[in-house]
Amino acid sequence: DSGVTQTPKHLITATGQRVTLRCSPRSGDLSVYWYQQSLDQGLQFLIQYYNGEERAKGNILERFSAQQFPDLHSELNLSSLELGDSALYFCASSVEAADTGELFFGEGSRLTVL
Amino acid sequence: DAKTTQPTSMDCAEGRAANLPCNHSTISGNEYVYWYRQIHSQGPQYIIHGLKNNETNEMASLIITEDRKSSTLILPHATLRDTAVYYCIADNYGQNFVFGPGTRLSVLP
Repeated sequence: DSGVTQTPKHLITATGQRVTLRCSPRSGDLSVYWYQQSLDQGLQFLIQYYNGEERAKGNILERFSAQQFPDLHSELNLSSLELGDSALYFCASSVEAADTGELFFGEGSRLTVL
Repeated sequence: DAKTTQPTSMDCAEGRAANLPCNHSTISGNEYVYWYRQIHSQGPQYIIHGLKNNETNEMASLIITEDRKSSTLILPHATLRDTAVYYCIADNYGQNFVFGPGTRLSVLP
């Protein structure tokens, strides 16, 4: 158990819909990262937040957005969903914005878009 | 971020040492070498990291060549539960890791 909690574990929805994925980082961790893993793309970095502020951005689509709240939990919002958005979405956390590089990953949220 | 290359897959007999190579010939001086693994579709798990010295922890050993252009992750006594995809990453301070396809290690009974 990494200490990172993601909800929901599974989500099935239709094209065009919007969903929100939630992540609670390990206690004390200020940095949250979001990754997408689809069958043909591997693990892709989406975005990082540190203490409520966006820190780094990766291959995140404009239809996707994220935020980190004062209590440090984070949400990833996916809108106008397409079939290709079906993937595992992982959240990870670390103590600092740039530290030893040890990220603690949650068990992921599996999104299926039909 | 430096690009890494790893074999697509490897087999190892249970109880034997698993040696997973990684090439990072374009690594820069301030980039660390990190190893993570992913068992089935679980979240990736941190294994070990190093800058230029060899490192060892309870999970594995990391051997980095003197020129830092390659490294080897060693699982000293592989078990069936070590079957996973192993990712080698070269990055400075882990701000936004780039995970490649990794090496699929199969530990065989």
